Amino acid sequence: QVQLVESGGGVVQPGRSLRLSCAASGFTFSSYGMHWVRQAPGKGLDWVALIWFDGSDKYYADSVKGRFTISRDNSKNTLYLQMNSLRAEDTAVYFCARRNHFNWGSFDYWGQGALVTVSS
Amino acid sequence: EIVLTQSPGTLSLSPGERATLSCRASQSVSSNYLGWYQKKPGQAPRLLIYGASSRATGIPDRFSGSGSGTDFTLTISRLEPEDFAVYYCQQYGSSRPYTFGQGTKLEIK
Repeated sequence: QVQLVESGGGVVQPGRSLRLSCAASGFTFSSYGMHWVRQAPGKGLDWVALIWFDGSDKYYADSVKGRFTISRDNSKNTLYLQMNSLRAEDTAVYFCARRNHFNWGSFDYWGQGALVTVSS
Repeated sequence: EIVLTQSPGTLSLSPGERATLSCRASQSVSSNYLGWYQKKPGQAPRLLIYGASSRATGIPDRFSGSGSGTDFTLTISRLEPEDFAVYYCQQYGSSRPYTFGQGTKLEIK
């Protein structure tokens, strides 16, 4: 069965960096685009970034552009989110999600999330 | 950016009742690219509906989606206790960013 497991969350000071990982299993990871989505405490879902199946294209929300970098290692079935220059407003649970191109690009499987807290 | 506005913000119903949730887009969204998700605290979001009206794998048939253009609806025909959660609509088409509505909280009356 499809599994996505995030790791790397924690508490970090403003201005510092953190890298999240998302380990995928149960499907051919290299055939699917992947997203990061976040949910701030008490707020709704907020799309962060998308990477194409082969890493050839990447897209970002304006709020993270220039600070966050999405990447993947298809040999390790792992998705990454490098977060630099973190701000208090980046505090959220970060989810990775699979882009299902067979279902018009819907986000069909999600991980349980990793909590990132930006605080001094 | 396409803004999705969901109504009502909170819906109070009893098990067995019918729930109707609305999602209105600030500009036309292709039906292929409109989805609905269920979110419970501490859990991963769950895809319910994609393409405005197609149920995702394993989703019970009491969940149905409809609509086109700028107005979409999620209907839960007979509420089960496990259906009480927050529901989000989302557009995931060619118009980035891929926006979500602000959510409708479905609570037990």
